[in-house]
Amino acid sequence: GDSVTQMEGPVTLSEEAFLTINCTYTATGYPSLFWYVQYPGEGLQLLLKATKADDKGSNKGFEATYRKETTSFHLEKGSVQVSDSAVYFCALSVVNYGGSQGNLIFGKGTKLSVKP
Amino acid sequence: ETGVTQSPTHLIKTRGQQVTLRCSSQSGHNTVSWYQQALGQGPQFIFQYYREEENGRGNFPPRFSGLQFPNYSSELNVNALELDDSALYLCASSLAGGWAKINGYTFGSGTRLTVV
Repeated sequence: GDSVTQMEGPVTLSEEAFLTINCTYTATGYPSLFWYVQYPGEGLQLLLKATKADDKGSNKGFEATYRKETTSFHLEKGSVQVSDSAVYFCALSVVNYGGSQGNLIFGKGTKLSVKP
Repeated sequence: ETGVTQSPTHLIKTRGQQVTLRCSSQSGHNTVSWYQQALGQGPQFIFQYYREEENGRGNFPPRFSGLQFPNYSSELNVNALELDDSALYLCASSLAGGWAKINGYTFGSGTRLTVV
């Protein structure tokens, strides 16, 4: 079945360090890929998305490229800030046969802590 | 434009009891999905509602049931609560027809259910 595997944390970085959180997936069909962020005590917020191979999603300095050949969607940021401390979830969604939208399948999440 | 609102925010129930959680979808969204997020885990898909009918279900037993109302709001009901049902329950809304595959879902802040 469809699944998402992401780098387990926690990840601790100093402010202005480079961030990479690895995410790989297994899917039938052609999934869309997403990164969601969850701040303490809150729900999930969509961070960025990519709907087809070679698409690059970007938002707030974060980027991820949909790599079909390696089935990956790694999250990167060049210079993290303390305010980026949160849990990051990689997810995929596949449209079902007949066109109805599929549900999201999430990885287990990676907790990022950024120290000043 | 209002986002997804969930109520209550926190709830404590005793094992064996029944609980109802409520969700109002984002304005204009006609599809509602429910997810269970256990502590330290990624969200797991429970089910999705569209046009007041269940439109997909994850690996959850029948004691998890739901409703969608004509205004697109939704309820999640859990009967015969078990200790393992303790989790954050997230509601997500979207438009139908593959829209969410491209745009993602909008999540509420969740209901934290504790079963004692």
